[in-house]
Amino acid sequence: QVLLVQSGAEVKKPGSSVKVSCKASGGTFSSYGLNWVRQAPGQGLEWMGVVIPMFGSANYAQKFQGRVTITADESTSTAYMELRSLRSDDTAVFYCARGGGYNSSDPFDLWGQGTMVTVSS
Amino acid sequence: DIVMTQSPDSLAVSLGERATINCKSSLSVLYSSNNKNYLAWYQQKPGQPPKLVIYWASTRESGVPDRFSGSGSGTDFTLTISSLQAEDVAVYYCQQYNSIPYTFGQGTKLEIK
Repeated sequence: QVLLVQSGAEVKKPGSSVKVSCKASGGTFSSYGLNWVRQAPGQGLEWMGVVIPMFGSANYAQKFQGRVTITADESTSTAYMELRSLRSDDTAVFYCARGGGYNSSDPFDLWGQGTMVTVSS
Repeated sequence: DIVMTQSPDSLAVSLGERATINCKSSLSVLYSSNNKNYLAWYQQKPGQPPKLVIYWASTRESGVPDRFSGSGSGTDFTLTISSLQAEDVAVYYCQQYNSIPYTFGQGTKLEIK
């Protein structure tokens, strides 16, 4: 059974960066897309970007372009999402989710447990 | 970007009654080469990650009760729960996964009347 396990909660100062990890266990990692989704308190789901570990390149939502970097380490089956220049409105739960890989678009059938990031001075 | 709009924003239904949630996309999510609608529905309960319920607009995810069904094509879609159970109380989101950026609807909060 494949699981996505994310790193723990973080508290950050405005202007700093956060790097959240998502480790896949129990199944294939490289050929799927690992997506990151943000959910602010009481708000909806917002797609941030995706990386396909096999290829390494990532695609980002324009809203986050230049401020986010999504990477993957095939050797450890771990994906990472780094968000820079944090603001108070970045306070949210960040989820990783498995989706389609190269040349395929698929729904997000597997989700991590979520990582709460709090940005506060 | 494809904008996904759900209606209503919230819905209260009696136990055992039908619940219907609508989702409209600003562009068609039907891919003509394979005749598939790249539309999914997710259920999210408080403090939990979203859970995939329906994909390809009408295919139930494994383990999802058959009281959940999805319909529609192109730009207009519906999630129906035929007989509401207490455990169905959640926020439901539609999502298009046809093109990047993948986008979600704003969510519909489903409660018991």
